[in-house]
Amino acid sequence: NAGVTQTPKFQVLKTGQSMTLQCAQDMNHNSMYWYRQDPGMGLRLIYYSASEGTTDKGEVPNGYNVSRLNKREFSLRLESAAPSQTSVYFCASRQRQTSYNEQFFGPGTRLTVL
Amino acid sequence: AQSVAQPEDQVNVAEGNPLTVKCTYSVSGNPYLFWYVQYPNRGLQFLLKYITGDNLVKGSYGFEAEFNKSQTSFHLKKPSALVSDSALYFCAVRDVGDMRFGAGTRLTVKP
Repeated sequence: NAGVTQTPKFQVLKTGQSMTLQCAQDMNHNSMYWYRQDPGMGLRLIYYSASEGTTDKGEVPNGYNVSRLNKREFSLRLESAAPSQTSVYFCASRQRQTSYNEQFFGPGTRLTVL
Repeated sequence: AQSVAQPEDQVNVAEGNPLTVKCTYSVSGNPYLFWYVQYPNRGLQFLLKYITGDNLVKGSYGFEAEFNKSQTSFHLKKPSALVSDSALYFCAVRDVGDMRFGAGTRLTVKP
């Protein structure tokens, strides 16, 4: 049982390049989330998927797109990377959107945009 | 919208001493509060949560948190700190749709 996995662990992009961050969970959770973590700002929600087939914007969605590929996988795409998107990105999952269960987090992807 | 605040960026304690990491919240309705810990280069790990009931919540690694409705606080505590407790701690509140996290408090426990 690997929990939440993310690939890649590290990535360096040039301004304007695109990339997709991959996330998968093996806990049969319905809800999945993408956050970014910046110093002094805690975690901010980018997008979430309450259940397979649905996605919704979070606090900071601009410049990102997501795909809930199936129940296990939730990807985050940067179409045209900007230096302001330099951050650590975390994927998380939870049993259900309406539950009060905790979220489980992946190990993160450290992204640098030059 | 719900929110939490962590008034201290940094907390330093000596090993063996009690520790407190502070969190205050602002919610409309019943608060559902969480504490997470982040070790270097790792994702967040769940420590404990308050949903309802007893105001003193016990969690992982000997941590506990006290819910205080009148002071709108949910402080994280541990009776005797360990060097291995040094990490970044986040308070969070469940909002409609997701969690809202505080900015984090870096705890350093010195030998």
